Amino acid sequence: GNSVTQMEGPVTLSEEAFLTINCTYTATGYPSLFWYVQYPGEGLQLLLKATKADDKGSNKGFEATYRKETTSFHLEKGSVQVSDSAVYFCALRSTDSWGKLQFGAGTQVVVTP
Amino acid sequence: GAVVSQHPSRVICKSGTSVKIECRSLDFQATTMFWYRQFPKQSLMLMATSNEGSKATYEQGVEKDKFLINHASLTLSTLTVTSAHPEDSSFYICSAQRSQGAYEQYFGPGTRLTVT
Repeated sequence: GNSVTQMEGPVTLSEEAFLTINCTYTATGYPSLFWYVQYPGEGLQLLLKATKADDKGSNKGFEATYRKETTSFHLEKGSVQVSDSAVYFCALRSTDSWGKLQFGAGTQVVVTP
Repeated sequence: GAVVSQHPSRVICKSGTSVKIECRSLDFQATTMFWYRQFPKQSLMLMATSNEGSKATYEQGVEKDKFLINHASLTLSTLTVTSAHPEDSSFYICSAQRSQGAYEQYFGPGTRLTVT
């Protein structure tokens, strides 16, 4: 079956540091890949997505590239802010589903001033 | 646009009672809605998929007689936890999708259920 594995947190960084959250997946076919963010006390929000190999999703300074050869979709941001403190979820949507998402375990990111 | 609300945001109920959670798409019509359960510091676990006007499809291991899902309109889905027990205490999250093939799901803020 499909699965998503992402690095465990919490990840603690200082403001303006570089952030990487690793995400790898197992799936048949060509799934779509997503990063969702959950700020404290709020629901999940779509951060970025990529629908085919070599696509790069980007939003709010975050980027992730769909790498089929390594089955990865790592999230990066060059300079984090305190407001980026949240839980980040990697997810995939397989081509044979009705939009069902498979989520990774989530990675908590804490950015300190 | 694409706002999903859930009501209530928090609910406490006694063991053995039932509780209903509503999920509404406020500014769009949702052909498909999903219900998830999230345990503390864990990922979201899909419970069921509901399509407007038809029976919900439950994931393996989810008791459909315990977690009743109704998707009566294109803007409303309800999850009823019947005969709740303390182990049902969790964070329940819904999401809505404009159509079956749409890429993006819009998530509600979640409902914290505590069963005493």
